[in-house]
Amino acid sequence: ETGVTQTPRHLVMGMTNKKSLKCEQHLGHNAMYWYKQSAKKPLELMFVYSLEERVENNSVPSRFSPECPNSSHLFLHLHTLQPEDSALYLCASSQDFLPSSPLHFGNGTRLTVT
Amino acid sequence: AQTVTQSQPEMSVQEAETVTLSCTYDTSESDYYLFWYKQPPSRQMILVIRQEAYKQQNATENRFSVNFQKAAKSFSLKISDSQLGDAAMYFCAYRSPQSGGSYIPTFGRGTSLIVHP
Repeated sequence: ETGVTQTPRHLVMGMTNKKSLKCEQHLGHNAMYWYKQSAKKPLELMFVYSLEERVENNSVPSRFSPECPNSSHLFLHLHTLQPEDSALYLCASSQDFLPSSPLHFGNGTRLTVT
Repeated sequence: AQTVTQSQPEMSVQEAETVTLSCTYDTSESDYYLFWYKQPPSRQMILVIRQEAYKQQNATENRFSVNFQKAAKSFSLKISDSQLGDAAMYFCAYRSPQSGGSYIPTFGRGTSLIVHP
């Protein structure tokens, strides 16, 4: 399988639940990203990992916890979320240090917090 | 900080006609790349076209072309012979080196393109 794969596609969770989003890339990229996409709002960069080191943490609340165990996998651990966290969460990968390298996106996880 | 502005929240075009989506950006860098991405209702964002800042020649990919005006910091996307499948959200993005060497992209707010049959 090639490209960027995100699971699950849809997730409904209560405010007290703990869940994780998974992202996997088979493109040999060395950078991975989490974005939040809400209706009527710009795309929000949440976290960036380059060579498995976190290089960006864009003032994201601590109820979102990223994990990058290797260059092919990225997780977003969720706990005690709020209804305003309901959104489409997009994972992407690219070749860092190569500015011409575009981002390759997954299909996203549609998260609903009840 | 770099910013990317897409001033058209929504555009519409008749099938087979041509439409231009605008994008401006603000940067003090001289070396950077610009991208247009398409996000159809199926949600997966895909690359449409990219432009290197030091190349004066406008990039083209089949029916998609850009008008890159470096001095004006403008990077518009022209879609010729529009097709129903072109209906999507289009995002303009900028990428240049950040401190530490990472190239973190900056995205515009997006333009929703509606194609009328």
